[in-house]
Amino acid sequence: SQQGEEDPQALSIQEGENATMNCSYKTSINNLQWYRQNSGRGLVHLILIRSNEREKHSGRLRVTLDTSKKSSSLLITASRAADTASYFCATGNSGYSTLTFGKGTMLLVSP
Amino acid sequence: DAGVTQSPTHLIKTRGQQVTLRCSPKSGHDTVSWYQQALGQGPQFIFQYYEEEERQRGNFPDRFSGHQFPNYSSELNVNALLLGDSALYLCASSGRGNTEAFFGQGTRLTVV
Repeated sequence: SQQGEEDPQALSIQEGENATMNCSYKTSINNLQWYRQNSGRGLVHLILIRSNEREKHSGRLRVTLDTSKKSSSLLITASRAADTASYFCATGNSGYSTLTFGKGTMLLVSP
Repeated sequence: DAGVTQSPTHLIKTRGQQVTLRCSPKSGHDTVSWYQQALGQGPQFIFQYYEEEERQRGNFPDRFSGHQFPNYSSELNVNALLLGDSALYLCASSGRGNTEAFFGQGTRLTVV
């Protein structure tokens, strides 16, 4: 079963614009991770935020976590055509590093 | 440093057959997890291996089984293949005490 639900399902923007994707989940979590997937291939780990953290940055990525609302957001600033991909949030709720994924957001960045 | 490697890349099998997929974890990682990703969906957790034992299992039938070897590499076996088993199978590895999971490029299985 899916734990996280990403919103929107698809997002189309121009290069240079910011892209914001949201993720909601249902149960308590240990951590939340964001992944990128190009063309149905392997997942690339972007960022991990723990349940006791509220915000985290990595390069052009900014992730927030609101455990009271059971939601997270991923912001990609100054987007590039190479950012075109599917983005997934995944929640970890045990110490065993198993993940529960949402259905993903498809991001299209046009030159 | 090689990341997570999976083989084969693509595979076509017939209904009722059996398949074995292979995964080598990232150097220094001792835990391997397998996921199934159907088209247009997020990955679904199948099971996780640690110290050559299945440590956790998702909601998958017994037709799905696995193994972990002393060098931490792993195999996923699926028996009596169904058309619905067609999917991208992803292997992820993680290290002790580190909950970040690193994924391989996946094996695309098509059942005809």
